[in-house]
Amino acid sequence: GAVVSQHPSWVICKSGTSVKIECRSLDFQATTMFWYRQFPKQSLMLMATSNEGSKATYEQGVEKDKFLINHASLTLSTLTVTSAHPEDSSFYICSAPPMGGAGEQYFGPGTRLTVT
Amino acid sequence: KQEVTQIPAALSVPEGENLVLNCSFTDSAIYNLQWFRQDPGKGLTSLLLIQSSQREQTSGRLNASLDKSSGRSTLYIAASQPGDSATYLCAVRYNFNKFYFGSGTKLNVKP
Repeated sequence: GAVVSQHPSWVICKSGTSVKIECRSLDFQATTMFWYRQFPKQSLMLMATSNEGSKATYEQGVEKDKFLINHASLTLSTLTVTSAHPEDSSFYICSAPPMGGAGEQYFGPGTRLTVT
Repeated sequence: KQEVTQIPAALSVPEGENLVLNCSFTDSAIYNLQWFRQDPGKGLTSLLLIQSSQREQTSGRLNASLDKSSGRSTLYIAASQPGDSATYLCAVRYNFNKFYFGSGTKLNVKP
């Protein structure tokens, strides 16, 4: 089956610093990737849609200047949390539907971000 | 506004029982619906995908049904096992960019 990887799997950073999270589709190409955030005991909330070769689209309430998204190729999207604060601590998950597929999403294993 | 609701929020059953997880959605104009499994601290594993034109999908001990007109989907797990313990999420897709997740059903299968 299709595999999506994320790096790092967990990261601890100090308040005010920036953190980059990578999302890669290992065996398929995706023109679009999605970034979600999941707080403890809550479901996934879509943050933004990453589009290869163009700007990302952000959901209402998500600061685009704080969560920078770059879709560098058909297999890689990055999410950079800038000037991180403790309230940004969360589980970040990416997903991607394969090009030419049936619309099924494949999810990465997630990245646990802790901001101290 | 599209909303996805899952009932029950938590379920604890003895091993071997057959069980049903429910997912309801407010807008029936869906593109597809997907059931996932999430283990603690982990990402999501896709279980079944049902297109809007389909009524059910089966994979092993899992069967998912879809009734668009009533805005419901059910995930049926036969002969449950302790390894089935996880949180089960349903996600409804309305167009290419919009997926809505339910809050999940946390399942515990006791040996």
